[in-house]
Amino acid sequence: KNQVEQSPQSLIILEGKNCTLQCNYTVSPFSNLRWYKQDTGRGPVSLTIMTFSENTKSNGRYTATLDADTKQSSLHITASQLSDSASYICVVSDYGGSQGNLIFGKGTKLSVKP
Amino acid sequence: DAGVTQSPTHLIKTRGQQVTLRCSPKSGHDTVSWYQQALGQGPQFIFQYYEEEERQRGNFPDRFSGHQFPNYSSELNVNALLLGDSALYLCASSPGTRNSPLHFGNGTRLTVT
Repeated sequence: KNQVEQSPQSLIILEGKNCTLQCNYTVSPFSNLRWYKQDTGRGPVSLTIMTFSENTKSNGRYTATLDADTKQSSLHITASQLSDSASYICVVSDYGGSQGNLIFGKGTKLSVKP
Repeated sequence: DAGVTQSPTHLIKTRGQQVTLRCSPKSGHDTVSWYQQALGQGPQFIFQYYEEEERQRGNFPDRFSGHQFPNYSSELNVNALLLGDSALYLCASSPGTRNSPLHFGNGTRLTVT
């Protein structure tokens, strides 16, 4: 069964610190992996999309890595800010359908404290 | 450039009633997907519309139906509401290519009492 597991479920860090969120997946055949940021009460916003051939992609202070062999991804946040407080959702796409089936993780809830 | 807009933002309905949620996609996008997000969970795929046809469907009962109009906007209809239908309903649009990002609206918060 295609699954996306994220860890930790929640995380509290101090402003200015770095953190890394994890995503493990069992989706096959793999098409791409996406990270989204979702602020409370808002829709998710795309941070990165990586295909099989990409092993790292950055978007400002966010850097995502992908190891397609071990089926693991991480999202590293550098020099955290209060505005980084949000849920971070890992989404993996397979090759089903015309655009792929998107399998969502449950997200990691990040709280950045002053 | 307007992003994805959804209406209404909040809605309270009673068990057994019917509800219609609306979505206007981002300019230039022709594909619209609907998701249900329960509190503390990731979004669950309901269905996707392209060229006014339902192209893919997730594991949701027939009480959930939709429509896409020629201008690419879309509606989600839920009949015979259950308490368990209470959730954030998200609409996402995309240009329809495999590796293109989804653009989400801010959702409609549906509460069924």
